Amino acid sequence: DAGVIQSPRHEVTEMGQEVTLRCKPISGHNSLFWYRQTMMRGLELLIYFNNNVPIDDSGMPEDRFSAKMPNASFSTLKIQPSEPRDSAVYFCASSLVRGGGSSYNEQFFGPGTRLTVL
Amino acid sequence: GEDVEQSLFLSVREGDSSVINCTYTDSSSTYLYWYKQEPGAGLQLLTYIFSNMDMKQDQRLTVLLNKKDKHLSLRIADTQTGDSAIYFCAESMARNDYKLSFGAGTTVTVRA
Repeated sequence: DAGVIQSPRHEVTEMGQEVTLRCKPISGHNSLFWYRQTMMRGLELLIYFNNNVPIDDSGMPEDRFSAKMPNASFSTLKIQPSEPRDSAVYFCASSLVRGGGSSYNEQFFGPGTRLTVL
Repeated sequence: GEDVEQSLFLSVREGDSSVINCTYTDSSSTYLYWYKQEPGAGLQLLTYIFSNMDMKQDQRLTVLLNKKDKHLSLRIADTQTGDSAIYFCAESMARNDYKLSFGAGTTVTVRA
């Protein structure tokens, strides 16, 4: 298995531009997570999808951020317009959440996208 | 609420044991995890422990859980240069089983 795939690995853009980050989860996983990692705030959960449906987007910082999961094998995180404070490493992770009272939740992380907004 | 705390840095000599500590506040935690992040990479699960266990050993790794004090530790025996990384403690809870609450991470530096 190739693991979680993210693209691009690095993105440098100018303030005000639209940025789209992409993720392909592990085949067979039913849950997908987008995280943001910064020195100041550590690892923050932005949004969680289960069976392609957004379940918890309470971590999305503001309306400039949006995420979609059109099918089980693809998700995007979009920032429009981007700002310098959005500079961070963005991780996508996937897992197989079994429910039914079992809360074991091994999340598999992608390599991340390092975003720099100038 | 959910709050996981870790010390930020640890420096250890090669061959010595490393002990990374973590405290959490939610007594309903069901699983606790240790993730490792190497430079330029994503997080990778190292080991985990179920909340009804006190200890778990896996080769060079020993996890100790003190539920009364809400304290979790990870001991790495015979620390090697390849163990230099950031180590994250995380917890999951039955009421919100999809969500992991991560600590800030402990940066472990192994010196020769």
